[in-house]
Amino acid sequence: GNSVTQMEGPVTLSEEAFLTINCTYTATGYPSLFWYVQYPGEGLQLLLKATKADDKGSNKGFEATYRKETTSFHLEKGSVQVSDSAVYFCALSDRGGSNYKLTFGKGTLLTVNP
Amino acid sequence: ETGVTQSPTHLIKTRGQQVTLRCSSQSGHNTVSWYQQALGQGPQFIFQYYREEENGRGNFPPRFSGLQFPNYSSELNVNALELDDSALYLCASSLAATGSYGYTFGSGTRLTVV
Repeated sequence: GNSVTQMEGPVTLSEEAFLTINCTYTATGYPSLFWYVQYPGEGLQLLLKATKADDKGSNKGFEATYRKETTSFHLEKGSVQVSDSAVYFCALSDRGGSNYKLTFGKGTLLTVNP
Repeated sequence: ETGVTQSPTHLIKTRGQQVTLRCSSQSGHNTVSWYQQALGQGPQFIFQYYREEENGRGNFPPRFSGLQFPNYSSELNVNALELDDSALYLCASSLAATGSYGYTFGSGTRLTVV
């Protein structure tokens, strides 16, 4: 079955530091890949997505590239801010019957200190 | 354009009781998916409803059931509550069952079973 493995947290960085959160996946088909962010007490917000190999998703300074050869979708940001503190989830969407359910990783807690 | 609305936001129930959670999908979306997020974990797919019919189910027992109404809003019902059912329940709506246009998540219902 499908699965997503992302780097264990928590991750603590100083403001303006470089961020990488690793994500690898296992899928039987050709999945779409996503990064979602969850702020305290809230639901999930889509951060970025990529639907095919070599696509780069980007939003709010965050980037991730769909690497089929390494089955990876690592999240990066060049300079993090305190407001980026949240839990980040890597996810894939692949056909399972007639629906495209999302399969999530366990999440990575990011804390950015001023 | 309204987003996804879930109610109630918090709920405390006793083991063995039944609970109903509600979700109003984003305007124009005809598909609703439900996810269970245990503390410190990623969301797990429960089931999806498309045009009032169940359209795929995750690894959850039959005591988890649902409905979708003609206006595409949805209910999640859980019978015979167990302590392990304590979690954040997330509803996500999408324009199509494929999710190709993206999923919009609500803020969730926090269920505590005591």
